[in-house]
Parts: sequence; C-alpha cells; structure tokens
Amino acid sequence: DAGVTQSPTHLIKTRGQQVTLRCSPISGHKSVSWYQQVLGQGPQFIFQYYEKEERGRGNFPDRFSARQFPNYSSELNVNALLLGDSALYLCASSLGGTGDGYTFGSGTRLTVV
Amino acid sequence: TQLLEQSPQFLSIQEGENLTVYCNSSSVFSSLQWYRQEPGEGPVLLVTVVTGGEVKKLKRLTFQFGDARKDSSLHITAAQPGDTGLYLCAGERVSNYQLIWGAGTKLIIKP
Repeated sequence: DAGVTQSPTHLIKTRGQQVTLRCSPISGHKSVSWYQQVLGQGPQFIFQYYEKEERGRGNFPDRFSARQFPNYSSELNVNALLLGDSALYLCASSLGGTGDGYTFGSGTRLTVV
Repeated sequence: TQLLEQSPQFLSIQEGENLTVYCNSSSVFSSLQWYRQEPGEGPVLLVTVVTGGEVKKLKRLTFQFGDARKDSSLHITAAQPGDTGLYLCAGERVSNYQLIWGAGTKLIIKP
C-alpha cells in the first residue's frame, strides 16, 4: 500500500513568491494535517482538514491557506514567502478519530532565498 | 498556549544500558503519541496511548500515560545502536485533534 505522498520533495523559491505543496493521504484516511518543522524543533501545527472541512488552524498568518479535495488529497499554499518560511513541510493523514495515530509523508523541503 | 516539555533533549549512552524519556504538560490530552524521526524524513508513529495510567510495550520499549493524562514516559531496556534516533512525543488536544509536539530527544547508543 502506498504511504502518504508529498510533492515536490524539494523546492527553492524567492522572497515574495507563492508556493503550492501537495499531499495524497493513505487510502481510506479522511483527515489530512499540515505541519511546519524547523531544524532542531518539533513540528508546528498549521492546518487539519477532515472530510473536506477545516477542523483546526494553528498560529500561522493568513498567508498560509489549505484545502482538501473530494478524493481527500490536500494542498497547502503559502503566499508572499519570507525567508523565515524556509522549513520542512510535513503532511500527515489519519482516520480522523481520537487516538488514531498519524502517518507522515517524507515532507517538502522549502528554501526561500 | 499548551506546551509539552520533553526531557532530556540529548542522551548518549552505551549499548545495554536503560533509559527513560519524559514528556510533561500542565494540560490534559485525549491521547499521547510517540514518534521516531530520521534525518530528512517524516516522523514514524511508534505508539498511541489514550487511557490514563495505560502502559504499552513494544519489544524493549515501554510507554506509559500518566493517570491524569498530562504526562508520558518512554523507557528503553537494554538499548541497542539501532535505537539511535530522534524521539518525539505529541499530545492530542481534546478540543480539535491538533497535535502539540515536544522538542524531541536525540538519542545516541554507542556500541
């Protein structure tokens, strides 16, 4: 079975540009979450979607947005990129219930120059 | 802001020794999850504990959830070099399923 797949794996953007990151969850998983991880720190929650509805939003500016499609895949968009947005962006899927562990993708390494 | 304090941040021990990693918070979580992360990869789920006082064993790894569901520990018996890695705890918020993460424990097991 395919795991959580993220694309692209690496990305270099210039300050002020916009970026779209994509995630395909494990088949049967209806929940997709996005996290930002800076080197040396634990992941920081950005968004969670369940059944195409936003179920949670972390403390990130409005430049960050996301959506979930009918096939449960998801996109994370970041506008007006800043140098500080450079990080590993992780997508995780789960069944969506309490205590259901998450399966993470390998992430997208975003570098803003 | 909910915080999950994980300790120690770094641990280097000899093969065969035992160790314990702790995660503590002042907040109650609906579940506590432990992950292991390799460099450049996403975290991999090791275990989820959901009931206060729950203990789960995974071979040489023992996970415990505190009675009040605010803290958890990971105990490794007879550590092996293959246990080397970054271990992360994550608490699931009661209100919205969000995971709050500890900063991680970088574990090195020397042969």
